[in-house]
Amino acid sequence: AQSVAQPEDQVNVAEGNPLTVKCTYSVSGNPYLFWYVQYPNRGLQFLLKYITGDNLVKGSYGFEAEFNKSQTSFHLKKPSALVSDSALYFCAVSYSSASKIIFGSGTRLSIRP
Amino acid sequence: EAGVAQSPRYKIIEKRQSVAFWCNPISGHATLYWYQQILGQGPKLLIQFQNNGVVDDSQLPKDRFSAERLKGVDSTLKIQPAKLEDSAVYLCASSLETGVGETQYFGPGTRLLVL
Repeated sequence: AQSVAQPEDQVNVAEGNPLTVKCTYSVSGNPYLFWYVQYPNRGLQFLLKYITGDNLVKGSYGFEAEFNKSQTSFHLKKPSALVSDSALYFCAVSYSSASKIIFGSGTRLSIRP
Repeated sequence: EAGVAQSPRYKIIEKRQSVAFWCNPISGHATLYWYQQILGQGPKLLIQFQNNGVVDDSQLPKDRFSAERLKGVDSTLKIQPAKLEDSAVYLCASSLETGVGETQYFGPGTRLLVL
């Protein structure tokens, strides 16, 4: 069965420190991986996606993600966290020709000043 | 470029009542999706349209939920009758085409509370 897991419900980081939000996946065939961010009372905003090619993907707001096929992971990273990065982050995987996406349960990122 | 528009933003109804949500996708986007997001969970796909045809409605509770996209542009999602467990945020998304790896762009959502 296709699935995506975000093992941490919450991640707490001090402003200026690097951050990592973890994601692992399980799909048959080649995965297409996404990160979305959700601010309070707003819809999901697209951050970045991995289709093929370079394992390090750069996205919006200084975020990047590293695809690791052997560990079936797609962790979201940022070198220096901002208070404004505090939000709910979702990892997602697409696995069918119909562009169906399965979302993880989300990780709440809290950046303290 | 205008984003995905949804209305209303909030709705409170009593159980057994009916409710409808409206979505207007990004101009030129052929594919439209409706998701249900229950508090504390990731969005779950309810139905996917390609133009005005249904691609996937396997997760749509068809005894009470219905959706249409008559002219291949905007769409409505209806619940009749509503149950307490339908309390959730209903998200509409659109993508340029249907295909693996297509980026979906989301609207702000409609928050439904069923009392």
